[in-house]
Amino acid sequence: GAGVSQSPSNKVTEKGKDVELRCDPISGHTALYWYRQRLGQGLEFLIYFQGNSAPDKSGLPSDRFSAERTGESVSTLTIQRTQQEDSAVYLCASSLGGQGQETQYFGPGTRLLVL
Amino acid sequence: AQSVTQLDSHVSVSEGTPVLLRCNYSSSYSPSLFWYVQHPNKGLQLLLKYTSAATLVKGINGFEAEFKKSETSFHLTKPSAHMSDAAEYFCVVIPTGGSYIPTFGRGTSLIVHP
Repeated sequence: GAGVSQSPSNKVTEKGKDVELRCDPISGHTALYWYRQRLGQGLEFLIYFQGNSAPDKSGLPSDRFSAERTGESVSTLTIQRTQQEDSAVYLCASSLGGQGQETQYFGPGTRLLVL
Repeated sequence: AQSVTQLDSHVSVSEGTPVLLRCNYSSSYSPSLFWYVQHPNKGLQLLLKYTSAATLVKGINGFEAEFKKSETSFHLTKPSAHMSDAAEYFCVVIPTGGSYIPTFGRGTSLIVHP
């Protein structure tokens, strides 16, 4: 596609439910990043993939968060047993490589509200 | 370890006056530095980046930034603000060695008055 896409654009869920967020990166981009942006805050790094591997998962806030990427393409971020503090915009970005110098291209985000 | 400090949470200017958004960083490795802009209800977009070439970097929409290693700074400037520049601006550091994990500043909200 022309850019990074994310789905759903909005998600409202009840506390304790699981949610799955999807990211489709730009075709050919080997690096993929997930961030969380709470209201009025900067971006909090969660995890990044180089190909299908995640070299560093230390940004994930808790073991309720997990992510995977398949086919060096689509990635899903799963939040189990959601809590109200998980409410945020979840942003995905991709870049051609993951060596630190490439531009990241961001998707529009998924706005998650946990009631 | 690395960190980014955006020294102002809000900057307010009048249209046609200069803009200065300040960013200081620390990094264990030689960093790549970026400024991204986030307009209301729009995605983040790259303004400019420094990747160890020229220290004065020009970006889109008339913005530029100067990498000053001695001051560990990467301030964003524009000679004349336009109403359309009103947005949230993020300074980002990514080390060029180690884990390549990006660190974002908390953001500076630029307000432009007519």
